[in-house]
Amino acid sequence: KNEVEQSPQNLTAQEGEFITINCSYSVGISALHWLQQHPGGGIVSLFMLSSGKKKHGRLIATINIQEKHSSLHITASHPRDSAVYICAGPRVGSNYKLTFGKGTLLTVNP
Amino acid sequence: DVKVTQSSRYLVKRTGEKVFLECVQDMDHENMFWYRQDPGLGLRLIYFSYDVKMKEKGDIPEGYSVSREKKERFSLILESASTNQTSMYLCASSANSGVLAGANVLTFGAGSRLTVL
Repeated sequence: KNEVEQSPQNLTAQEGEFITINCSYSVGISALHWLQQHPGGGIVSLFMLSSGKKKHGRLIATINIQEKHSSLHITASHPRDSAVYICAGPRVGSNYKLTFGKGTLLTVNP
Repeated sequence: DVKVTQSSRYLVKRTGEKVFLECVQDMDHENMFWYRQDPGLGLRLIYFSYDVKMKEKGDIPEGYSVSREKKERFSLILESASTNQTSMYLCASSANSGVLAGANVLTFGAGSRLTVL
């Protein structure tokens, strides 16, 4: 069974700050997902990564497979980045099932 | 863009009623999923389907059933709704990437918030 832990649970930042959200998992996995959920909104997949780093606009995701750790960074944060960020990793022995972290609630104040 | 459409955004039902939640995706995805999301518990898998007429139980299937008669449509059924099924229900779909286990990117619907009175 793969446990997925996120930190911090809650994060408040001022506009323009650099944000880091961390995700650790208990067993070796081949891929990790980062998802975003705005208040009252649906969930959007931000990244799926299996190695190294991916970048999309101001969002950067990194993963270290050996250390079982991934980070999501937001540069020049903006109030519209306020959302819950969720990481998820595949279950051992399953091609389809994911284990989700509890999410990090990010609030960016103007 | 892949679109996953859930039929109802908000529903209010009474205890004991039969409830249907419909989900349709328009990108020919093989896999479809039903999750529920509750505060403090995160996303939990109810059922999933990897092909037409195929279904597998997730982590919390009790009190639910599903139907997938066509590739694009995956229905979640609450046979007799109970108050503990008040929740946000999220449908998702994915294509088989064929590369890494668990690497299929999920596309979610907007969610259906169900209240059972």
